[in-house]
Amino acid sequence: EAGVAQSPRYKIIEKRQSVAFWCNPISGHATLYWYQQILGQGPKLLIQFQNNGVVDDSQLPKDRFSAERLKGVDSTLKIQPAKLEDSAVYLCASSTPFVNTEAFFGQGTRLTVV
Amino acid sequence: GNSVTQMEGPVTLSEEAFLTINCTYTATGYPSLFWYVQYPGEGLQLLLKATKADDKGSNKGFEATYRKETTSFHLEKGSVQVSDSAVYFCALRPYSGAGSYQLTFGKGTKLSVIP
Repeated sequence: EAGVAQSPRYKIIEKRQSVAFWCNPISGHATLYWYQQILGQGPKLLIQFQNNGVVDDSQLPKDRFSAERLKGVDSTLKIQPAKLEDSAVYLCASSTPFVNTEAFFGQGTRLTVV
Repeated sequence: GNSVTQMEGPVTLSEEAFLTINCTYTATGYPSLFWYVQYPGEGLQLLLKATKADDKGSNKGFEATYRKETTSFHLEKGSVQVSDSAVYFCALRPYSGAGSYQLTFGKGTKLSVIP
């Protein structure tokens, strides 16, 4: 079974530039999550999708971050404009919508803003 | 709100030593508790979990028991190997019915095992 795919693996941009990350979840997983992991900290949830609808985006900085999952499969997370403090690893995870299910994580995209 | 506190690292042990990584949590209701592991260059992997009080999760020689009275979920292994070198994250998922896997993570503990 293929895992959660993310691209790119690494990205370096200058502050005020824009960047986009892509995630393809495990086939059949209706729920998709984006987490932000700043160096030395645990991952923090940014947004949760159920199919193509947003379940929770309360911790997403909406002035600069946006995410979509138009067809209920793959998803894109965008930052525009980027700030230095956005440097982090962005993790995508997916799961089935059942009780006691498990979330599977991708390898992440490491973003460095200079 | 929900929070997870785990012991600061890094932790350096010799091979075959006993490992304990402390984890305590704050949450309302009855959360599920997890330990995730992140090997160098890889994504997060679920190591073990417990969904109710007194449950013991175990995998690959690691164990953790859900202690509601002390709000703890300490990770233990009797004899670590070099291959256990990784960052370990304690996490909780508040009870919210089916379909939600919103996790609150601790800051992580880096373990280095030397031969």
